[in-house]
Amino acid sequence: DQQVKQNSPSLSVQEGRISILNCDYTNSMFDYFLWYKKYPAEGPTFLISISSIKDKNEDGRFTVFLNKSAKHLSLHIVPSQPGDSAVYFCAAKAGGTSYGKLTFGQGTILTVHP
Amino acid sequence: DGGITQSPKYLFRKEGQNVTLSCEQNLNHDAMYWYRQDPGQGLRLIYYSQIVNDFQKGDIAEGYSVSREKKESFPLTVTSAQKNPTAFYLCASSIAGSSNTEAFFGQGTRLTVV
Repeated sequence: DQQVKQNSPSLSVQEGRISILNCDYTNSMFDYFLWYKKYPAEGPTFLISISSIKDKNEDGRFTVFLNKSAKHLSLHIVPSQPGDSAVYFCAAKAGGTSYGKLTFGQGTILTVHP
Repeated sequence: DGGITQSPKYLFRKEGQNVTLSCEQNLNHDAMYWYRQDPGQGLRLIYYSQIVNDFQKGDIAEGYSVSREKKESFPLTVTSAQKNPTAFYLCASSIAGSSNTEAFFGQGTRLTVV
């Protein structure tokens, strides 16, 4: 039972354009959502997060949007840069649980072309 | 520099042997976690520990064991009972409790059974 789903295995974008990565979840107990970026053979690095009491969080070029009624979140990267090329994981935490106890999506490979 | 150190980076094991993966953190975090990543899949939680001398099974604990004798160390043993041990293993840590913040990851250990 995949509680967090990233339905697009890959995304290709031109440098300078917007990248939009999507994530859907099914567990209504999730109250905190995170995006991690991962390069091959390395550990994930935290990118941005959002609490379920918000619908938007912005940090520089990165913005995460949360639509609780649709159980959907998205990560926008504007403008995209070649260095953004990596695997992006969406993760969620259920309320009352330790915040390292995360449920991850399958990941989306982002390729930004110069 | 504060961080999480996993060793070794690459590990080869013969079938039927137990092997232990090391994870050390100097972030003064109470909680530590072990995740496993397989190709095309997200990270799946193996074990986690919120405090010294206590740990809990995650979603895929069968064939694994852990110990938490020191706050900074959380070694993972992959036993011969683990049917498909070849994978990328990631250790993480976080502040204990359920406040909203991120988990920090190590660089990972790639285990290959030969």
